Amino acid sequence: QKEVEQNSGPLSVPEGAIASLNCTYSDRVSQSFFWYRQYSGKSPELIMSIYSNGDKEDGRFTAQLNKASQYVSLLIRDSQPSDSATYLCAVIGGTDKLIFGTGTRLQVFP
Amino acid sequence: KAGVTQTPRYLIKTRGQQVTLSCSPISGHRSVSWYQQTPGQGLQFLFEYFSETQRNKGNFPGRFSGRQFSNSRSEMNVSTLELGDSALYLCASSLSAGFSTDTQYFGPGTRLTVL
Repeated sequence: QKEVEQNSGPLSVPEGAIASLNCTYSDRVSQSFFWYRQYSGKSPELIMSIYSNGDKEDGRFTAQLNKASQYVSLLIRDSQPSDSATYLCAVIGGTDKLIFGTGTRLQVFP
Repeated sequence: KAGVTQTPRYLIKTRGQQVTLSCSPISGHRSVSWYQQTPGQGLQFLFEYFSETQRNKGNFPGRFSGRQFSNSRSEMNVSTLELGDSALYLCASSLSAGFSTDTQYFGPGTRLTVL
């Protein structure tokens, strides 16, 4: 079992829709969770961090964390073609290392 | 403020050779982390340096090593290159050690191809 798992996609959504990206992790002691966006040929950039159970909103982005279910998600409201990218979930586990999932490719079509 | 810079951007080597990659963090950042990114494995943590000390290490063989200088610049070395070492090598810098509170800023990466 991988430490951080994501569906590779692609996830295709129409412009203006809500994109829902999901991530599960295996280390129960994990306390810090991040979502990075990586455009093709570019390096990752941090878009959200979340540390407590519940929702955290930042503009069109909402991160959701459920530690009991070991599940973290990212919602993108009013999706735009410019949101088309690979979204990487990353988790800091008990070893104090930042562990990434393999990413979900999101395609937003006009 | 200048971002994270990595040199070289592209590199072609043959099996058995060794390679050194360089990373200059954002001014004022003292932590540098290295990652290997491949299509199959995704982003994998190699090591983290803070104040010239290796703070943490991923699950890579001893052929992968690194160091950090007093000006926070970091180098990564891979000896006895294998075909499977072909990847994008990314470094990221942050203000302090660990990943929990500071944003990591990634450099553009070095694309290494091993023939």
